[in-house]
Amino acid sequence: NAGVTQTPKFRVLKTGQSMTLLCAQDMNHEYMYWYRQDPGMGLRLIHYSVGEGTTAKGEVPDGYNVSRLKKQNFLLGLESAAPSQTSVYFCASSYERGRTTYNEQFFGPGTRLTVL
Amino acid sequence: RKEVEQDPGPFNVPEGATVAFNCTYSNSASQSFFWYRQDCRKEPKLLMSVYSSGNEDGRFTAQLNRASQYISLLIRDSKLSDSATYLCVVSRMTTDSWGKLQFGAGTQVVVTP
Repeated sequence: NAGVTQTPKFRVLKTGQSMTLLCAQDMNHEYMYWYRQDPGMGLRLIHYSVGEGTTAKGEVPDGYNVSRLKKQNFLLGLESAAPSQTSVYFCASSYERGRTTYNEQFFGPGTRLTVL
Repeated sequence: RKEVEQDPGPFNVPEGATVAFNCTYSNSASQSFFWYRQDCRKEPKLLMSVYSSGNEDGRFTAQLNRASQYISLLIRDSKLSDSATYLCVVSRMTTDSWGKLQFGAGTQVVVTP
């Protein structure tokens, strides 16, 4: 199993450009997440999905959109990139078995995005 | 105030020594606690869960103090391969019933020969 994969690994954008980050998992996980990681800060949740066809906002959703058309894929879109979106983006997935049981989140290798 | 706070370090530790560090959390509704490990420019990976009674996993010992709202990680007999950033993570159920994780910014540990 590949686990969680992300494409691309690196990207440089100019302000105002758009792009889509792709996350794929082969573990049949229900839940998927997009985080960003900035120096001196913990990972912050951008958007998440509790199943195919559903998405929800996390704590820093502004400037991003997501889609979960297939269970194994979770796409993160930047419609008009800004320098403040320079960050490392991590996708993660987990299988939320129940409401009181924690399920480990498995992370992809990350995408390093620079917006000039 | 950050919901999860950690000393960023670095903690410089001679090989074979013991190192310990804490993390504090502000939300008393936090239910589950974890340490994740993140190597330089890599993704976070679960190191261990932290149970109320404390728990060990090999050379790693984690403790939870709910009254004072902190968790700790102790690494015995440090190895060069233990050099990493250790992320403190707390989880609580949200109103839409899923386990939201809150990450600390991490504590860097550097083990030296």
